[in-house]
Amino acid sequence: AQKVTQAQTEISVVEKEDVTLDCVYETRDTTYYLFWYKQPPSGELVFLIRRNSFDEQNEISGRYSWNFQKSTSSFNFTITASQVVDSAVYFCALGGHTGGFKTIFGAGTRLFVKA
Amino acid sequence: KAGVTQTPRYLIKTRGQQVTLSCSPISGHRSVSWYQQTPGQGLQFLFEYFSETQRNKGNFPGRFSGRQFSNSRSEMNVSTLELGDSALYLCASSAESTGELFFGEGSRLTVL
Repeated sequence: AQKVTQAQTEISVVEKEDVTLDCVYETRDTTYYLFWYKQPPSGELVFLIRRNSFDEQNEISGRYSWNFQKSTSSFNFTITASQVVDSAVYFCALGGHTGGFKTIFGAGTRLFVKA
Repeated sequence: KAGVTQTPRYLIKTRGQQVTLSCSPISGHRSVSWYQQTPGQGLQFLFEYFSETQRNKGNFPGRFSGRQFSNSRSEMNVSTLELGDSALYLCASSAESTGELFFGEGSRLTVL
């Protein structure tokens, strides 16, 4: 069965602090895809990144970076120098082919960035 | 390029009624997925359609159904509504099943 665990329910930081959001996944697929989405207070989910299971290279996009480690089944997300606008719920998701392709989501981590 | 459009945005129903929600995907996207979002259960996968065929279904009772039309627009229906069906229903389209999902703003259903 596929499963995504985001153990951190809520995180509160002060602006300019770095913050890491954890994501651990379970799957029996050999080919799968990992995603991060952001849901700001306005409500609409926004795609941030996709990685496939064969690409373990870490990625950096501005203040955002992602660390994919197959050995620990983790796909963590770090925001450097956080800003108030980063306040949102962040979802990690896993796409796999078992039983037909579908993307399942973790419970989400609510991030509060205080000025 | 227009995004994913969901209608209606808000609706209130009473127990036992049925509801139909509509989703227009991004032009060119043939995959449409539906999710239920609640505070307690998070984002739960309902089903996915591709070229008018349901390819995958989540663990929801048969009261939840959907369909996709030849223009890729999709509808989902919930019959015999229960209080627990109150939720934000999100539609997402994708150019390919394994690709990123583009979400609509959702339809917020309240069941009284």
